[in-house]
Amino acid sequence: EDQVTQSPEALRLQEGESSSLNCSYTVSGLRGLFWYRQDPGKGPEFLFTLYSAGEEKEKERLKATLTKKESFLHITAPKPEDSATYLCAVRNTGGFKTIFGAGTRLFVKA
Amino acid sequence: GAGVSQTPSNKVTEKGKYVELRCDPISGHTALYWYRQSLGQGPEFLIYFQGTGAADDSGLPNDRFFAVRPEGSVSTLKIQRTERGDSAVYLCASSLTGANNSPLHFGNGTRLTVT
Repeated sequence: EDQVTQSPEALRLQEGESSSLNCSYTVSGLRGLFWYRQDPGKGPEFLFTLYSAGEEKEKERLKATLTKKESFLHITAPKPEDSATYLCAVRNTGGFKTIFGAGTRLFVKA
Repeated sequence: GAGVSQTPSNKVTEKGKYVELRCDPISGHTALYWYRQSLGQGPEFLIYFQGTGAADDSGLPNDRFFAVRPEGSVSTLKIQRTERGDSAVYLCASSLTGANNSPLHFGNGTRLTVT
């Protein structure tokens, strides 16, 4: 059964303090790994898709990387507006549903 | 352009009542998904439509839950004989197509509270 585990559950950073969020996954065959951002009271907002081990994607202060078992979301010099829940999700080659982890709640203090 | 629209944004109902939740996907998106999200958890898959047909309904928890998409656009999630455990945020998402890695575009959800 496909599974996604995210750690830590919550992360508190000072503004400018870089860190990484972890996503461990098991999937029968990876079609894609996705990162989303979710603000309180809103639906998840798409950030990145990664397809194969070794791939990296960047957007502003965020960089996502992928290995055969994990993905990392690196946050460089975060700002308070980066505070949100970050969700990792996978889709396998045999189906259409996207399976989500429980997310990491990021708090960035000015 | 317009994103995914869900109505109502909040719904409070009594245990045992019937509710309908509506989703208007992004125009031109053929794939539509329903998810359920409880506090502190990630979205949990319920059902996936490709066009008018439910291609995968394996996430529906029991036969009290049913969803339709009769014209391949708007979808309605229907819950019969609601229970307090059904309380959650119900999210709808659409994507250009379900056959590749098109990302999901989510609405802001309907918060269902069963009293």
